[in-house]
Amino acid sequence: GQQLNQSPQSMFIQEGEDVSMNCTSSSIFNTWLWYKQDPGEGPVLLIALYKAGELTSNGRLTAQFGITRKDSFLNISASIPSDVGIYFCAGQLGNNNDMRFGAGTRLTVKP
Amino acid sequence: NAGVTQTPKFQVLKTGQSMTLQCAQDMNHNSMYWYRQDPGMGLRLIYYSASEGTTDKGEVPNGYNVSRLNKREFSLRLESAAPSQTSVYFCASSETGGYSEAFFGQGTRLTVV
Repeated sequence: GQQLNQSPQSMFIQEGEDVSMNCTSSSIFNTWLWYKQDPGEGPVLLIALYKAGELTSNGRLTAQFGITRKDSFLNISASIPSDVGIYFCAGQLGNNNDMRFGAGTRLTVKP
Repeated sequence: NAGVTQTPKFQVLKTGQSMTLQCAQDMNHNSMYWYRQDPGMGLRLIYYSASEGTTDKGEVPNGYNVSRLNKREFSLRLESAAPSQTSVYFCASSETGGYSEAFFGQGTRLTVV
């Protein structure tokens, strides 16, 4: 079953606001990934995190790999309309091919 | 610049029918994966192939079979479709067994009636 708890499930924000979402788990993960999915498309990788405590940025996006290796967060600063979509966290267990996904955070940005 | 190509994009099956979902990648990746996506569930791994000639079960393999035909192609077969298999199916590929550079196809929306 689902091992990752992603929150919030959905967010409605005003353009220009900052956004924060997170994932927690009872399992320890070796890698945390954040994906974005647009309607009718497959997920696209945003940020990959490989070490506990790692903080990585990609433009307006910042993500961190929790010290306990059981959580991660994603922040989006100064949101714009094209940020609309579903954001997924994914955690990679010991086996490189075993990747678990969170249920997603649906982001709506109002102009 | 195709990346990962899935066919078909949409399919409606009757319960008990069989079909094969096709996936091909042109990035010379070693690893390929099949996921299903259901509302509120994220993506769940059905099967994966770490390299040509190998396949392994993922989280939800029951009711499915896969074939890694060659390095480029990885197909997913439903032998006897059931309504519970109504879902959006995604194929993905990556250069290594890790997911850091996984690329996803556009998905196949399957409805079983």
